[in-house]
Amino acid sequence: DQQVKQNSPSLSVQEGRISILNCDYTNSMFDYFLWYKKYPAEGPTFLISISSIKDKNEDGRFTVFLNKSAKHLSLHIVPSQPGDSAVYFCAASVYAGNMLTFGGGTRLMVKP
Amino acid sequence: DTGVSQDPRHKITKRGQNVTFRCDPISEHNRLYWYRQTLGQGPEFLTYFQNEAQLEKSRLLSDRFSAERPKGSFSTLEIQRTEQGDSAMYLCASSYPGQTEQYFGPGTRLTVT
Repeated sequence: DQQVKQNSPSLSVQEGRISILNCDYTNSMFDYFLWYKKYPAEGPTFLISISSIKDKNEDGRFTVFLNKSAKHLSLHIVPSQPGDSAVYFCAASVYAGNMLTFGGGTRLMVKP
Repeated sequence: DTGVSQDPRHKITKRGQNVTFRCDPISEHNRLYWYRQTLGQGPEFLTYFQNEAQLEKSRLLSDRFSAERPKGSFSTLEIQRTEQGDSAMYLCASSYPGQTEQYFGPGTRLTVT
């Protein structure tokens, strides 16, 4: 049973435009949500997180939106840059410091 | 501090052999996590430690797998009698207690032939 799902395996965006990556979850006990970026042959790199008491968190070009009623979160990257090309994973945990449950990832390609 | 380190980066072994991986967390991080990632999937939780205490184990961690963190610093993950299904990337992460984000190492890629 996949508790965290990323339904789009890949996304292609033009440089300078917005990238929107989506994630759905089923476990209503999840309280924290995170996005990681992964380049080949490297471990995942933390990007941004949000707790369930918020509906938006922003850090530079990255914004995460959380819709608890829909059990849906999204990551917006504006403007997209070629260096953003990577696999993006969303993850969730029941409480801070607990194990992370990951989605299957979305490969983002930003074309120059 | 240079981040989480893992050794070796790659390991090729024959089915039935034992392998051991090492993880050195970010210093002062009390929590250390092990995950496994197979091709096309996200990382899956295996186990985690707070200091030397192993607090949780996934059902993925069969009795052929054992993890230790004897002095609360580095950790080892051993797989006995490896099977081809054990081929995966083994990732280690660390964090402070109560910290939401976990910081990952580069992983150890295991190939069982």
